[in-house]
Amino acid sequence: LAKTTQPISMDSYEGQEVNITCSHNNIATNDYITWYQQFPSQGPRFIIQGYKTKVTNEVASLFIPADRKSSTLSLPRVSLSDTAVYYCLVGAPGSARQLTFGSGTQLTVLP
Amino acid sequence: DSGVTQTPKHLITATGQRVTLRCSPRSGDLSVYWYQQSLDQGLQFLIQYYNGEERAKGNILERFSAQQFPDLHSELNLSSLELGDSALYFCASREHNYGYTFGSGTRLTVV
Repeated sequence: LAKTTQPISMDSYEGQEVNITCSHNNIATNDYITWYQQFPSQGPRFIIQGYKTKVTNEVASLFIPADRKSSTLSLPRVSLSDTAVYYCLVGAPGSARQLTFGSGTQLTVLP
Repeated sequence: DSGVTQTPKHLITATGQRVTLRCSPRSGDLSVYWYQQSLDQGLQFLIQYYNGEERAKGNILERFSAQQFPDLHSELNLSSLELGDSALYFCASREHNYGYTFGSGTRLTVV
């Protein structure tokens, strides 16, 4: 299964840009990179998905270098409500590789 | 509202008992995924169904079973419950080639 490595925790202040990096050295050709956000006692929520280069939506940006061995989730101007756990998943859509959630990154936004 | 419906929201039962958790996927989604999340284990994939057929199996105990019905709703049956089965149980569905959509979960407490 695709193994991902993320920082266990990160702190930031309101209004700052936050970048969370995920390493996935054994990413396969058909794999996509997907990020989820989870608040306590709630199900994870899809944030963004990408295959290469850069993807942006109304919530975040995802940067993927040419070798695709890592990816960076960028959250612009975070607020207290962005405090959550962020998970990086790697795998082909619908594949077993994409079923495994790692430990995630606990982001704490401070006032 | 994610469109994935889970019932009940909370369940308290005694050790040795059996419970059934129910999930209705988003309209049009054929896949259902079950996850268990306990404090010390993170999100653990249990089992996936696709259009009524079991598609993938994760760390699901033999005391647990699931099925997906013709109307695509799914049930997760947990039997001979132990204290360690206390957890949040999430169901998710997935749009083709896109990310997972999770329900709000069922919090199971075994006493």
